[in-house]
This record gives sequence, structure tokens and C-alpha cells, in this order.
Amino acid sequence: ETGVTQSPTHLIKTRGQQVTLRCSSQSGHNTVSWYQQALGQGPQFIFQYYREEENGRGNFPPRFSGLQFPNYSSELNVNALELDDSALYLCASSSGQGNYNEQFFGPGTRLTVL
Amino acid sequence: GIQVEQSPPDLILQEGANSTLRCNFSDSVNNLQWFHQNPWGQLINLFYIPSGTKQNGRLSATTVATERYSLLYISSSQTTDSGVYFCAVVPYGGSQGNLIFGKGTKLSVKP
Repeated sequence: ETGVTQSPTHLIKTRGQQVTLRCSSQSGHNTVSWYQQALGQGPQFIFQYYREEENGRGNFPPRFSGLQFPNYSSELNVNALELDDSALYLCASSSGQGNYNEQFFGPGTRLTVL
Repeated sequence: GIQVEQSPPDLILQEGANSTLRCNFSDSVNNLQWFHQNPWGQLINLFYIPSGTKQNGRLSATTVATERYSLLYISSSQTTDSGVYFCAVVPYGGSQGNLIFGKGTKLSVKP
């Protein structure tokens, strides 16, 4: 059974640029959630995708957008990068969109915005 | 919205010692998970425990949903247990299964 994978591992961008982060869900999982973790804080929910549709969104601006593909992998896109976007971005997968499903996390992508 | 509070925020132990980490939540939950975040940032699943008690080796967890708290027990701690421990919940009745995290307990185990 393959776990959740994310790419790239690290990324450095400058303010105003755009970035795309990728996530492959664990085998058998059809739901992907994205979280942002600032230094010294707990992860915060960005959005969730279930069967290629956005299934919920946290308190993040529209310049954070996403996609889910038919194989359930997902992308997180961030436009017009700001310094405060520097963080660890975590992807989690689960089987089903409901509230009772255990979520499993990938290793994360560490984004630095200069 | 629901509040998740973890205590203590920091904990320093000698190898071999036991510890108890606490997670309080302000409202009913559908889901509660405990994670260990290693120094590289990976969140490792420890327990999925919306209620009841579970054990896995030196670790065990108990959630008392009616009293809105969960406890994580680490026995005979090892240096590899160091890292940040997070409790995360999914609020009852929510329309999406997003986890809400506490601020974590940073554990340092000294040899």
C-alpha cells in the first residue's frame, strides 16, 4: 500500500509569483485535504476535494485554489505569493468525504517566499 | 468555532520516564486523532480515537467524549519520541471533514 506523497519537497519563490504543489493520495482513498502549517503553529485547513469537487474551504483567500484529478491526486495553486505564504503545506488523504474518516498525511512541501 | 487546547505546551523528560499529554475540546466531535510530527515535518498517525481507549506498544490514548477531553500516555520514553504531538478534531455536525488542530505539545526526551 502506497502512502501519501507530495512534491516538491522544498520550493523557493519570490513575492508575486505563482506556485503549484502536488499530492498523490494513498491507495484506495478518494478524498484529499490541504493544510498550511506556519512555523510553531498547528496545521490550518485550506480546502478539501472529494471526487474532483471542492468539498469545503477554510479561511483562505481565492488566490489559493486547487484541483483533483480522476486518479484522486490533487494540486494546490497559490497565485500572487506573499511573504506570509511561507509555510509547510501538508496534504492528507482519506476514504470518503465524511466526518468519521481517519486522515493520513504526506511529508509536506516547505515553501519559502522571498 | 470549536477550540482545541493542548497541555502542557512543552515537556522535557529523561529517557525512561512516563508522560501524559492532554487535549481539551470545547464542543462535541465526530473524529479525534493524535499525531506525532517528526523533525522533518511529517505528521505520523498515532491514534484515531473519537471515544474509548486504545493501545499501541508504549503508547496509549483515552478519549472521554462526554467530558470533552483526550489523553495520550507515553511510557518508558525514548529519545526517538521527541517531537511535537498534535491533537486534532472534526467538529460534530460539520459539513466537511476538516481537522482542527491544537497548538501541540513539544516533547524533548533527554538521554
